[in-house]
Amino acid sequence: GQNIDQPTEMTATEGAIVQINCTYQTSGFNGLFWYQQHAGEAPTFLSYNVLDGLEEKGRFSSFLSRSKGYSYLLLKELQMKDSASYLCAPSDSNYQLIWGAGTKLIIKP
Amino acid sequence: IAGITQAPTSQILAAGRRMTLRCTQDMRHNAMYWYRQDLGLGLRLIHYSNTAGTTGKGEVPDGYSVSRANTDDFPLTLASAVPSQTSVYFCASSKGQATDTQYFGPGTRLTVL
Repeated sequence: GQNIDQPTEMTATEGAIVQINCTYQTSGFNGLFWYQQHAGEAPTFLSYNVLDGLEEKGRFSSFLSRSKGYSYLLLKELQMKDSASYLCAPSDSNYQLIWGAGTKLIIKP
Repeated sequence: IAGITQAPTSQILAAGRRMTLRCTQDMRHNAMYWYRQDLGLGLRLIHYSNTAGTTGKGEVPDGYSVSRANTDDFPLTLASAVPSQTSVYFCASSKGQATDTQYFGPGTRLTVL
């Protein structure tokens, strides 16, 4: 079956760095998306990885290892507004996104 | 209109009633999607449409129907609502290429009593 595993909740301090891990098992693979979702709002796109390695975009970076079925999202210089859920979503052989339940990130001052 | 809109924002519905959730996008995207999001679970795909005139079933299609008469609109209908359909419903769209980013509407919070 298809499965996505992310930590349910993480806590970090303002200004620090946090890494959110995601492991996945899918029928086929066509890249992996990360989305951010603030409470009560819609998910918004953060990153897309299709090849192994690190993609950097400002304070956010995303890493992919296809052979390990593993990705992580790295957030640097954390700000209070980064308090949100972060959703990992690999794309399967039918190009449908398989969504994890998300990691709720709590930022403390 | 800018992006994707959904209506209503929220709704309380008696079980057995028929309900249509509306979704409109102005980005001329080919593909559109309906998801439901429940606490502790990931987004689950209900139905999708790769282009106007075509629709497909997602992971949890039972009890729901869709139509795609034109590019912009993708309504979701609950023919006879049941309490297990209480959820937050998100509509999304993408350009249509297989790995294109999906853009989400603001969601509809539906409660079925």
